[in-house]
Amino acid sequence: DSGVTQTPKHLITATGQRVTLRCSPRSGDLSVYWYQQSLDQGLQFLIQYYNGEERAKGNILERFSAQQFPDLHSELNLSSLELGDSALYFCASSVTMNTEAFFGQGTRLTVV
Amino acid sequence: AQSVTQPDIHITVSEGASLELRCNYSYGATPYLFWYVQSPGQGLQLLLKYFSGDTLVQGIKGFEAEFKRSQSSFNLRKPSVHWSDAAEYFCAVGAEYGGSQGNLIFGKGTKLSVKP
Repeated sequence: DSGVTQTPKHLITATGQRVTLRCSPRSGDLSVYWYQQSLDQGLQFLIQYYNGEERAKGNILERFSAQQFPDLHSELNLSSLELGDSALYFCASSVTMNTEAFFGQGTRLTVV
Repeated sequence: AQSVTQPDIHITVSEGASLELRCNYSYGATPYLFWYVQSPGQGLQLLLKYFSGDTLVQGIKGFEAEFKRSQSSFNLRKPSVHWSDAAEYFCAVGAEYGGSQGNLIFGKGTKLSVKP
């Protein structure tokens, strides 16, 4: 157990819908990262937050957004869902930006 | 642009045999390099990482990796594989922008099967 908690573990939703994935980082970790893992694209970095502020952006679609709250938990919002958004979404956290990141077990999103 | 290539999609080895998983990277400066393992239904676990210094890096679970700048490689090795090592292995490089250990570019992964 890495100490990073992601909820829900599984999510099934219809095209066009909006979902929110939640991540609770390890206690004391200030940085949160979101990744998408799909069969065709592999593991792709989406976005990073550090102490509430966005620090880096990767291949994140405009339909997706994220935020990190004052209690340091983070949410990834996915809207206007398409079949191709079906994937495993990982959250990772680290104490600072220059320390090892620990990954959660992921949320498996299925869009039908 | 940075990239990571894992040439082998799937490797099968016998239990007790040695293992080498290949990783090649493309990066402009001195890279931060990582190997992660993902067991079915699990998240990613860091096996080892290289930032600088000794080019042979020891990790957890008996794994090691060697950084070879001239070959742009960071191959993962284990002298004797156990059945519990069956998993998917990912090589990653730290992104040039951001400069953090969590902002990574991953290879496509190598799935390891272990036969008795």
